[in-house]
Amino acid sequence: NAGVTQTPKFRILKIGQSMTLQCTQDMNHNYMYWYRQDPGMGLKLIYYSVGAGITDKGEVPNGYNVSRSTTEDFPLRLELAAPSQTSVYFCASNGGQANNSPLHFGNGTRLTVT
Amino acid sequence: QKEVEQNSGPLSVPEGAIASLNCTYSDRGSQSFFWYRQYSGKSPELIMSIYSNGDKEDGRFTAQLNKASQYVSLLIRDSQPSDSATYLCAVNIGRGGADGLTFGKGTHLIIQP
Repeated sequence: NAGVTQTPKFRILKIGQSMTLQCTQDMNHNYMYWYRQDPGMGLKLIYYSVGAGITDKGEVPNGYNVSRSTTEDFPLRLELAAPSQTSVYFCASNGGQANNSPLHFGNGTRLTVT
Repeated sequence: QKEVEQNSGPLSVPEGAIASLNCTYSDRGSQSFFWYRQYSGKSPELIMSIYSNGDKEDGRFTAQLNKASQYVSLLIRDSQPSDSATYLCAVNIGRGGADGLTFGKGTHLIIQP
């Protein structure tokens, strides 16, 4: 029962470095999401995907890119890390009818950019 | 701007009492409503989902929805110290529903032993 798996759990980046946050799910869900959560704030949607090959911007997409080559995987790419991207990143997925299905979350990636 | 509003707290409740958490949302077209619990340093976990007006009970938890007032609440009966966490209200606000949930900032609940 792996569910949604995120790697790494923690990462420290220097300004200007790049990295990819990995997310994979084994529930055959079509819909996948990336959220970020800053201290004392709710989750903000970065990007989402409704199926392999289809992605779209959420509320806060600047500075990020995504791809969805398979149903299982939805990596998030940071090209030029900035201190404003210090946050906790959660990947989530849901299946069935997206508008009434709850999200299943991964355990998160805590990213610090210094 | 479509929003979900919650009182950030902290909300302090004695052990054994009823904790009442409230949430309002701006989009009248919203169809799906969820409560998530999030412990410090952990990911959100689903507590309740509700889709139609009225009450929905699951163990010690009751979700209440009033679409006319754009209001959803979560009641926790017989509160336990293990209920101390941040509770996130989430609402499906979007065109076709596939663009995720909009979350409130969360209410920090403290159950006092």
